[in-house]
Amino acid sequence: ETGVTQSPTHLIKTRGQQVTLRCSSQSGHNTVSWYQQALGQGPQFIFQYYREEENGRGNFPPRFSGLQFPNYSSELNVNALELDDSALYLCASSQGGSSYNEQFFGPGTRLTVL
Amino acid sequence: GDSVTQMEGPVTLSEEAFLTINCTYTATGYPSLFWYVQYPGEGLQLLLKATKADDKGSNKGFEATYRKETTSFHLEKGSVQVSDSAVYFCALTPQVSGLTGGGNKLTFGTGTQLKVEL
Repeated sequence: ETGVTQSPTHLIKTRGQQVTLRCSSQSGHNTVSWYQQALGQGPQFIFQYYREEENGRGNFPPRFSGLQFPNYSSELNVNALELDDSALYLCASSQGGSSYNEQFFGPGTRLTVL
Repeated sequence: GDSVTQMEGPVTLSEEAFLTINCTYTATGYPSLFWYVQYPGEGLQLLLKATKADDKGSNKGFEATYRKETTSFHLEKGSVQVSDSAVYFCALTPQVSGLTGGGNKLTFGTGTQLKVEL
C-alpha cells in the first residue's frame, strides 16, 4: 500500500508569483485535506476536498485554491505569493471527511518565498 | 472557535526520565483528541487518540487520558529514549454528527519539542 506522497519536496518562489503543489492520496482514500505549517507553529487547516468538491475551508484568503482529480489526487494553488506564505505545506488523505476517518499525512512541501 | 494549548518547549530530558507534556483544549461538546509526532524532516504521524471522555489512548509506551472536567489530554511516558526526540502536537477534531464535511478537520497546538539526551 502506497502512502501519501507530495511534490515537489522543496520550492523557492519570489513574491507575487504563483505556485502549484501536488498530493497523491493513499490507495482507497477519497478525501484530501491541506494544512499550512509555519516555522515553529502547528499546522493550520486550509481546506478539504471530498470526491472532487471543496468540503470545508479554514481561514485562508481566496488566493489559496485547490482541485481534486477523479483519481483523488489533489493540487493546492497559491496566487500572488507573499513572504508569509513561506511554510511547510502538508497534505493528508482519509477515507472520508467524517470525524471517524483518520487522516494520513504526507512528508510535506517546503515553500520559501523571497 | 476551537483551540488547543500545549506547553512550550523545548523539553530536555535524560534517557529513562518520566515525560509529561501538558495539553488543554477549548471546543464545544465532546471533540476527539489526538497526539501527533513529527520526526525531523518527516510528516506527521498519529501517536494516539481518544474519542470520548475518560478514554485512555496508548501507543509505544505513551499514554494520554481524555479529561472532560479539566478539558485536558496530557501526554505521558514512563521512560523516554533518545529515539523519542521529536516534536509532539496535541490536536482535536470537532464533535459533529453524521458524515459532515470537514468533520475530521484537525486543530493543532503549537507543538512541543522534546530532546532526550544520554
